[in-house]
Amino acid sequence: GDSVTQMEGPVTLSEEAFLTINCTYTATGYPSLFWYVQYPGEGLQLLLKATKADDKGSNKGFEATYRKETTSFHLEKGSVQVSDSAVYFCALRGGGSTDKLIFGTGTRLQVFP
Amino acid sequence: DTAVSQTPKYLVTQMGNDKSIKCEQNLGHDTMYWYKQDSKKFLKIMFSYNNKELIINETVPNRFSPKSPDKAHLNLHINSLELGDSAVYFCASSQAQGQSYEQYFGPGTRLTVT
Repeated sequence: GDSVTQMEGPVTLSEEAFLTINCTYTATGYPSLFWYVQYPGEGLQLLLKATKADDKGSNKGFEATYRKETTSFHLEKGSVQVSDSAVYFCALRGGGSTDKLIFGTGTRLQVFP
Repeated sequence: DTAVSQTPKYLVTQMGNDKSIKCEQNLGHDTMYWYKQDSKKFLKIMFSYNNKELIINETVPNRFSPKSPDKAHLNLHINSLELGDSAVYFCASSQAQGQSYEQYFGPGTRLTVT
């Protein structure tokens, strides 16, 4: 079945460092890909999405490019802030998964001043 | 003006009890979902409804029964609660079925079974 694999955390960075959180997927067909963020004590918020190959999703300085050839959707940010500390979830929807979102295990990001 | 709301936010109860969690969305969406997040933060879908019709049922014990009185509400009733049911339960909604539609999540209900 369809699945999403994320790098294990926590990822610990200093403020203004470059961030990469790796995400790869396995899916039949052509899924849409998403990054969700969960701040402490809160629900999930959509951070960005891409619905077809080579699409780049971007929001709040974060970017991710849908790479079909490597089945990846890595999240990047050029300069992280303390306020970016949260858990980040990569997810896919569609393809063989019909309508449900399939999530990765989440990666905790901790940014220190 | 909360888009997806859940009540209660916290729920502490004893094993064997029956409890309900309510979810409402004011976005005019057709599709609603329940997800379970375990202690390791792993998120997994439980159910989805489209226009009050059950679409997805992910091998969830039949102690869990979703009910959708109208397309703006999707409640989750749990019978005979077990320790393993302790988790955070998230409701979500989406404009329609279809892979490109964003899902909007509620704030979660933290259920603790003692």
